[in-house]
Amino acid sequence: GAVVSQHPSWVICKSGTSVKIECRSLDFQATTMFWYRQFPKQSLMLMATSNEGSKATYEQGVEKDKFLINHASLTLSTLTVTSAHPEDSSFYICSANTDRGRSNGYTFGSGTRLTVV
Amino acid sequence: RKEVEQDPGPFNVPEGATVAFNCTYSNSASQSFFWYRQDCRKEPKLLMSVYSSGNEDGRFTAQLNRASQYISLLIRDSKLSDSATYLCVVSRGSTLGRLYFGRGTQLTVWP
Repeated sequence: GAVVSQHPSWVICKSGTSVKIECRSLDFQATTMFWYRQFPKQSLMLMATSNEGSKATYEQGVEKDKFLINHASLTLSTLTVTSAHPEDSSFYICSANTDRGRSNGYTFGSGTRLTVV
Repeated sequence: RKEVEQDPGPFNVPEGATVAFNCTYSNSASQSFFWYRQDCRKEPKLLMSVYSSGNEDGRFTAQLNRASQYISLLIRDSKLSDSATYLCVVSRGSTLGRLYFGRGTQLTVWP
């Protein structure tokens, strides 16, 4: 089946540093990648939608200069958390569409747990 | 109003019990409906899609009521391995657009 590989699975960084999270589609082309964030005991909230070769679309309240998304190829999308602060500590997860003909064609990465100290 | 509302629980049930989860969605334009399962610190995994006629997959039965914008999941003969958080998820379009997640209902099945 379709697989999205997400790295790293967890990261601890100091305040003020930047962290890059990668999502790769291993056996399909992901023209669209969704980036979500989940705080403890909360639902997954969409941060942005990235389309290959174009600028990402950010949800209201998400700072595009802080959360940089690059979707330069059909198999790789990256999210960079710049100048991270403790309040950015969260579970970040990507999701790609795998089959336009089916309603359940979503594949999730395994998630990245970010802790900013 | 949130796009998808769920009772967060927790639900604590013994093995073999039947448990039901409910969910409501606010946007009548929603067209696709799912139940996902999320284990602690893991990514969500699709449990089942939900169809208007209702559908069953083994011990799991999902129902959809479009008129009242209500979705349910019934788990029969609960197993210890069913312990997880169950996410109600909707999508507005027939094409694969963004998903809207409920905050999840936590289930613990005890021996």
